[in-house]
Amino acid sequence: AQSVTQPDIHITVSEGASLELRCNYSYGATPYLFWYVQSPGQGLQLLLKYFSGDTLVQGIKGFEAEFKRSQSSFNLRKPSVHWSDAAEYFCAVGAQAGTALIFGKGTTLSVSS
Amino acid sequence: DAGVTQSPTHLIKTRGQHVTLRCSPISGHKSVSWYQQVLGQGPQFIFQYYEKEERGRGNFPDRFSARQFPNYSSELNVNALLLGDSALYLCASSVAGGSGNTIYFGEGSWLTVV
Repeated sequence: AQSVTQPDIHITVSEGASLELRCNYSYGATPYLFWYVQSPGQGLQLLLKYFSGDTLVQGIKGFEAEFKRSQSSFNLRKPSVHWSDAAEYFCAVGAQAGTALIFGKGTTLSVSS
Repeated sequence: DAGVTQSPTHLIKTRGQHVTLRCSPISGHKSVSWYQQVLGQGPQFIFQYYEKEERGRGNFPDRFSARQFPNYSSELNVNALLLGDSALYLCASSVAGGSGNTIYFGEGSWLTVV
């Protein structure tokens, strides 16, 4: 069965520091992978997605993620965090022929000044 | 262009009651999905509809039902509400079915069951 694990429940990063949020997935074939961000009381905004091809994916707001098949990982990175990046981040996986996204439990990012 | 719109944004219901949540997809999108997000958890898939037909169903009881209308808008119905149904209900739309299509989420309907 498909599953997504986000090992870090809560991360605090200083403003201007780099960020890496971890995501591990379980899926038999090459999955579709997504990162979404959710601000308090808001819906989900798509940051980036991986379908195929280049394993380093660029997204909005300066985020990028790297697909590593050997490690079943799709970690999200940002070189310099801004206070406005404080939010909940969700990694999700979808089957190529499927209809549903399976989400991880999320990582809460706090940004300290 | 308007994004995915949902109504109502907040509502409070009593155990045993019924609730209807509504969703209008992005113009041109024919697929609508529903997700339940309990506080502190990631969203869980409930239903997907494409061209007015159910294309997928998550692990939810029969108290949950949905439908899609000819204009591609959708309703999620929940009968015999339980306290555990308290959650944020998210609607998402995409051009077509299949997770290979980019899915856009609305801001959700907050349901509190007391």
